[in-house]
Amino acid sequence: DAKTTQPPSMDCAEGRAANLPCNHSTISGNEYVYWYRQIHSQGPQYIIHGLKNNETNEMASLIITEDRKSSTLILPHATLRDTAVYYCIVRRYNNNDMRFGAGTRLTVKP
Amino acid sequence: GAVVSQHPSWVICKSGTSVKIECRSLDFQATTMFWYRQFPKQSLMLMATSNEGSKATYEQGVEKDKFLINHASLTLSTLTVTSAHPEDSSFYICSAGQGATNYGYTFGSGTRLTVV
Repeated sequence: DAKTTQPPSMDCAEGRAANLPCNHSTISGNEYVYWYRQIHSQGPQYIIHGLKNNETNEMASLIITEDRKSSTLILPHATLRDTAVYYCIVRRYNNNDMRFGAGTRLTVKP
Repeated sequence: GAVVSQHPSWVICKSGTSVKIECRSLDFQATTMFWYRQFPKQSLMLMATSNEGSKATYEQGVEKDKFLINHASLTLSTLTVTSAHPEDSSFYICSAGQGATNYGYTFGSGTRLTVV
């Protein structure tokens, strides 16, 4: 599976949009982009995933560039409860496991 | 949605003893379950993959005789840390899914193991 690169940390003001970037320049055509987050001392929580089209759900939006080499997770109105480590993972459709990189520690500040 | 229950949420054991951690899929049948370990301020590290009815596949560097995994049913996988030592103290997390799909897997809430 392709490797991902994320900034180690980011801050965001409460109520503002949080834009978390992820670079996956070696992504293959059959690999999906997944985003998970982990709040302190809890298991990871699924946020969203996509292949090449932009995706939106009740939690977030996922913007994937046309060449698919990078993506951005957008939390439209960040709250203090969104403070967590956010993981961007690239995974093949038929690959069983889910491997985590270092992630981005997002801190939402009042 | 899919729920994975992990038990216990925390455990303290004496050095040299064994500890069993359970991972249950509550509302779906999980053909595949994964076990991760996470040290403080680090990311999750995949330890092993277990498929119901077959032997687990361990990642390189993970001792299969020390971390015994049993996936005897479609709703339960167990991880037993045998002869635990202080360096085994960590956060252990399981995840479960219904086989390879384009959806991700559901994670348990984790087990904090402290070996004293």
